[in-house]
Amino acid sequence: EPEVTQTPSHQVTQMGQEVILRCVPISNHLYFYWYRQILGQKVEFLVSFYNNEISEKSEIFDDQFSVERPDGSNFTLKIRSTKLEDSAMYFCASRRDRDPSYEQYFGPGTRLTVT
Amino acid sequence: DAKTTQPTSMDCAEGRAANLPCNHSTISGNEYVYWYRQIHSQGPQYIIHGLKNNETNEMASLIITEDRKSSTLILPHATLRDTAVYYCIVRAYSGAGSYQLTFGKGTKLSVIP
Repeated sequence: EPEVTQTPSHQVTQMGQEVILRCVPISNHLYFYWYRQILGQKVEFLVSFYNNEISEKSEIFDDQFSVERPDGSNFTLKIRSTKLEDSAMYFCASRRDRDPSYEQYFGPGTRLTVT
Repeated sequence: DAKTTQPTSMDCAEGRAANLPCNHSTISGNEYVYWYRQIHSQGPQYIIHGLKNNETNEMASLIITEDRKSSTLILPHATLRDTAVYYCIVRAYSGAGSYQLTFGKGTKLSVIP
């Protein structure tokens, strides 16, 4: 069964450094998402991406964040200058189409630790 | 999107059916009910979704009341691996938009040996 993959599984970085989290969505999917989950808290939507541009973004997704689909398979989340409060699990998800009968598939997540 | 209300936690004996309720009294006609679960800190896993009819797949059944104001997710024979947080999410279909999911706190289901 096809699945969403994410690398790395765990990333440790120092405050102020840039990080790039990588995702490979399911190959025939058209919608891509990033969510995050701070330890012990709810899963929160960050951004959605469709047709090579941001479709929607939340208030969390400020100028420090960016997303890119650099080739036909990868989908990346960049945090320009990490803060302690960016420490969280980051989940990538993909969806085949905008039809709501299609579900979102989530990756296993990247645990980001900012020290 | 309509707000959902779920119990904070539930226990279920291994091998028995787990019935997880969800209230969505403000649901409107174009809103689907989705169920996802999250095992420990893994990525959320899709379980099932429906609009108004009851649905069944290899994982679970979804029973939606006739007025659509509540639903129940049924895991027919719970196993220890079903211990997870279960999220009931209501999402509208408006013909546009990205349909991101809004997660609440969900129900922590503990399957007891």
